[in-house]
Amino acid sequence: QSALTQPASVSGSPGQSITISCTGTSSDIGGYNYVSWYQRHPGKAPELMISHVNSRPSGISNRFSGSKFGNTASLTISGLQAEDEADYYCSSYTSSATYVFGTGTKVTVL
Amino acid sequence: QVQLQQWGAGLLKPSETLSLSCGVYGGSFSDDYWSWIRLPPGEGLEWIGEVSHTGSTIYNPSLKSRVSMSVDTYKNQVSLRLTSVTAADTAVYFCARGHSYTWNYWSQGTLVTVSS
Repeated sequence: QSALTQPASVSGSPGQSITISCTGTSSDIGGYNYVSWYQRHPGKAPELMISHVNSRPSGISNRFSGSKFGNTASLTISGLQAEDEADYYCSSYTSSATYVFGTGTKVTVL
Repeated sequence: QVQLQQWGAGLLKPSETLSLSCGVYGGSFSDDYWSWIRLPPGEGLEWIGEVSHTGSTIYNPSLKSRVSMSVDTYKNQVSLRLTSVTAADTAVYFCARGHSYTWNYWSQGTLVTVSS
C-alpha cells in the first residue's frame, strides 16, 4: 500500500487560514469516510485532531476542520496560531482492512 | 482516561528481534483495537498492524512476514515482535488505541535503534 500524498510543507502568518491536502485512491480515501488527521509536535505523541473526515474530538479547537472530495481529503486550520506549528498526518482505512498514513506536512507559522 | 505506557529494548543489532509491550490503564480493554505505529527519523508515520482483545490481527502487508502481535487480557497488555531487524527498522514506535477507525490515545513512544 502506498502512502497518501501530502505537501511537504505549508506556511502561513498568524491569523491566516491554511489548507493541507491528502490524496489517495478509491481504495482508501475515496472509498470510506474514515479519514483522520493527527498533529505531532517534536518529541510528542501524535494527537487526533479530526476523525471521520470532519468530526472534531472533544477539546479540539473549532479552528480545525476537515473535508473530502473524491480521493482527496483536506485539513483547514483557520486563525493560525503559533502553537499550530507542528507536523500533520492524514490517515485512511483501506479496502484491505488496513490503514495508511500520509507522507506528512510540516506547518510553519511565519 | 486511558493511558498507554510502553517498554522494551531500545538498542538492537541487525538480525535481532524487536520486542515491545504496552500496558493499558483505564478504559475498557475489551472494547477496542490496539495498533502499533512507527515513525522513522525524517520520515512519516507507518502503520504496523492491529490486534483486538480476542487476539485477532491484521498487519501491514510490507511487514507481515516479520511482525506478530499479541494480547494479554489479564494484564491489559499488548505486545509487538518484529524479527530480523535492519537499520530501516530504526524508528520511534508507538502503541495506540484504535476506536472507530481512529487512534485517540497514544503511548509516549519508544525509540528503537538498530545498529551494529
